[in-house]
Amino acid sequence: EPEVTQTPSHQVTQMGQEVILRCVPISNHLYFYWYRQILGQKVEFLVSFYNNEISEKSEIFDDQFSVERPDGSNFTLKIRSTKLEDSAMYFCASLRGRETDTQYFGPGTRLTVL
Amino acid sequence: DQQVKQNSPSLSVQEGRISILNCDYTNSMFDYFLWYKKYPAEGPTFLISISSIKDKNEDGRFTVFLNKSAKHLSLHIVPSQPGDSAVYFCAASGGYGGATNKLIFGTGTLLAVQP
Repeated sequence: EPEVTQTPSHQVTQMGQEVILRCVPISNHLYFYWYRQILGQKVEFLVSFYNNEISEKSEIFDDQFSVERPDGSNFTLKIRSTKLEDSAMYFCASLRGRETDTQYFGPGTRLTVL
Repeated sequence: DQQVKQNSPSLSVQEGRISILNCDYTNSMFDYFLWYKKYPAEGPTFLISISSIKDKNEDGRFTVFLNKSAKHLSLHIVPSQPGDSAVYFCAASGGYGGATNKLIFGTGTLLAVQP
């Protein structure tokens, strides 16, 4: 069964450093998302992406964040200058669109900012 | 912003009995609802969904009920099994774009099924 994959599973970085989180969505899916979950809190939406552009972004998704689909298979989230409060689990999700309407999530990347 | 609420942080049931997990929402624009199951250090796994044009959807041991007038949905698991022990999240989407819109998650309910 096709699944969303994410790398790395755990990323440790120093405050102020840039990180890139990578996702490979399910191959025939058209809509892509990033969510995050800070420890002990709910899963919260960051950004959605369709047709090579951002469809919607949350207040969290400020100028320090960017997304890209560089090669038709990967979907990346970049944080330019990490802050302590960026420490969280980051989940990628994809949705096929058309007649199906379920977002499928990857296993997540745990980002730890020191 | 508590658009989706799961008021029970935890639930414990005996194996073989019914588990009922509840979710309330406030945004009347929501028209698509999903339940996800999550184990620690893993991503949410899709369980079952329902659109606002229905009031019930069933898939094996899992049934979701939607009461639009009360803005309430519930997930029934019958019979409950120890492998069902996990955190269950209710999520909702809606507005222009329908189910392709962002998901708004509840805070989750930790289900423990006792053997």
